[in-house]
Amino acid sequence: SYVLTQPPSVSVAPGQTATIPCGGTNLGSKSVHWYQQKPGQAPVLVIYYDSDRPSGIPERFSGSNSGSNSGNTATLTISRVEDGDEADYFCQVWDSTTDDIVFGGGTKLTVL
Amino acid sequence: EVQLVESGGGLVQSGGSLRLSCAASGFPFSTFDMHWVRQAPGKGLEYVSSITSDGGGTVYAKSVKGRFIISRDNSKNTLYLQMGSLRAEDMAVYYCAREIAVVPVKAFDCWGRGTLVTVSS
Repeated sequence: SYVLTQPPSVSVAPGQTATIPCGGTNLGSKSVHWYQQKPGQAPVLVIYYDSDRPSGIPERFSGSNSGSNSGNTATLTISRVEDGDEADYFCQVWDSTTDDIVFGGGTKLTVL
Repeated sequence: EVQLVESGGGLVQSGGSLRLSCAASGFPFSTFDMHWVRQAPGKGLEYVSSITSDGGGTVYAKSVKGRFIISRDNSKNTLYLQMGSLRAEDMAVYYCAREIAVVPVKAFDCWGRGTLVTVSS
């Protein structure tokens, strides 16, 4: 089955830019979605269809899936990081060949 | 306000059964595909099952296929997950989630708060 790989943790200082990678075979051919989950809360969709933002999500959140690392890596970028951005972030795809929905293992973003 | 509220979780013995419900409000439930996603304590998100808007199509993760049944009652705006032959590894918070309608990419734009299923041996 399809596998998405994320680093367990990423740290960033307030006001800086955080980049969270998500790796998978031929990931550039799939649509990648990103969720933010704070402790004790349900996940929240922050990016869908590689780079679209749902209403209410700040413009500081952006996504790309444009061929980094030979088409195998998508990235969530959070600009001007705030303390409130500290959370777990999960990437997700739909593997249409198997009709399977796959989540990455998650990355804990720590704001220093 | 769009809202999903899960219920039905609790403590069940290994091998037992449980039915989860998810009550939807604030949107035309019958026009959206719906999903169940679970999260074991301290772990990541795991896809469980999907159902099309009319209930005619269902998909299951390999880990639950043959043991869980997803269904819906559009007249009651409610999604269900019938869980059987429960195992320790099924212990998790179970979330219902709505699939985004803007594009057919199976992203989840609305989640409930979840219901905890505990399996004891």
